[in-house]
Amino acid sequence: DGGITQSPKYLFRKEGQNVTLSCEQNLNHDAMYWYRQDPGQGLRLIYYSQIVNDFQKGDIAEGYSVSREKKESFPLTVTSAQKNPTAFYLCASSMIQDWSTEAFFGQGTRLTVV
Amino acid sequence: AQSVTQLGSHVSVSEGALVLLRCNYSSSVPPYLFWYVQYPNQGLQLLLKYTSAATLVKGINGFEAEFKKSETSFHLTKPSAHMSDAAEYFCAVRETSYDKVIFGPGTSLSVIP
Repeated sequence: DGGITQSPKYLFRKEGQNVTLSCEQNLNHDAMYWYRQDPGQGLRLIYYSQIVNDFQKGDIAEGYSVSREKKESFPLTVTSAQKNPTAFYLCASSMIQDWSTEAFFGQGTRLTVV
Repeated sequence: AQSVTQLGSHVSVSEGALVLLRCNYSSSVPPYLFWYVQYPNQGLQLLLKYTSAATLVKGINGFEAEFKKSETSFHLTKPSAHMSDAAEYFCAVRETSYDKVIFGPGTSLSVIP
């Protein structure tokens, strides 16, 4: 089955720690995205990438970092610099050759700072 | 610049009643428009999309939406609400050759028995 896999589903982090959220897709999509979702605020774009070894900051990139070493993988690191990391994180991917195609989403990772 | 507004952060309907979720967009060029649904603690799932082929678009689970250029709207409707329709709904827009999809703030739909 083609799709996007995010892991883990739930993640707990102590203050001051870095944590990495995994996102893997087997849809052969070029573009991948990370969104943060907080109650009542919709989806906010953190980072996106259209090609291997290249990525751009979204609207709320501070305190986050990403890498795109393989087309299939786009991990997100939440660093200790992110002041309020508790949120639901969603990874998505899409084609870029056809702009009418939709984005496909993973099932999300809920990160909680303890 | 693209933007999306969804009127009403929360909508309640009775089971069997009409569902109407509003979406308005701003775009300098004809856009591509999408409606997604999100159930608690899950990712987003595509309901339907407008790609200029037809102004009335039918999607999954009995939902449909109509693109009205003059009103810059893409409202989502369903003739008869079911309990399983309770979820968060997001409208999204993407301009031609623009590399990002812009999401609205979402509307939470409650269905009352």
